[in-house]
Amino acid sequence: GENVEQHPSTLSVQEGDSAVIKCTYSDSASNYFPWYKQELGKRPQLIIDIRSNVGEKKDQRIAVTLNKTAKHFSLHITETQPEDSAVYFCAAPTSGTYKYIFGTGTRLKVLA
Amino acid sequence: DVKVTQSSRYLVKRTGEKVFLECVQDMDHENMFWYRQDPGLGLRLIYFSYDVKMKEKGDIPEGYSVSREKKERFSLILESASTNQTSMYLCASSPPGQGNTEAFFGQGTRLTVV
Repeated sequence: GENVEQHPSTLSVQEGDSAVIKCTYSDSASNYFPWYKQELGKRPQLIIDIRSNVGEKKDQRIAVTLNKTAKHFSLHITETQPEDSAVYFCAAPTSGTYKYIFGTGTRLKVLA
Repeated sequence: DVKVTQSSRYLVKRTGEKVFLECVQDMDHENMFWYRQDPGLGLRLIYFSYDVKMKEKGDIPEGYSVSREKKERFSLILESASTNQTSMYLCASSPPGQGNTEAFFGQGTRLTVV
């Protein structure tokens, strides 16, 4: 069945460094790849997304890259700040259905 | 402002009880979802619905059922609660379309089954 693998499960970086989280998906027809951030005690919220006709998208300090051939996409956070500490989820909604599948999450800690 | 509201933030129920978790959205979204969130396992899809009275099983439907009698409301039912259903439950909704739009989440219900 459809599968989304996310790595790493935890990531600690020093403030100001970059963080990269990677997801691999199985459905080659998937065409929408969102990333969600969940702060402690709060609901997941969309922070950036990319569609399959684009290879990279940036929004200030965050960017997402997509490699459709290899079926993986990555979240890049530059100049990390303490407020970036959260759990990040990728998703690869299954094409042709209404199913919305998430990765297992990455707990990012930004050390001051 | 987009709103997905879950009826309870915290619930404590006894083993064997029938439990109802309610979710209401005010965005006129066709798609609604129920997930459970457990440490290390991420967000696992229990059931989803793409229209009134329509429902489909997700990846972990065992022990759960759902009801969607009105477009804005999607209920998750635990027929006979068990301790392994202790978890955080998240409802979400999204505009029409097959998995190519943002999902909006409720604040979550932390259910403890004792």
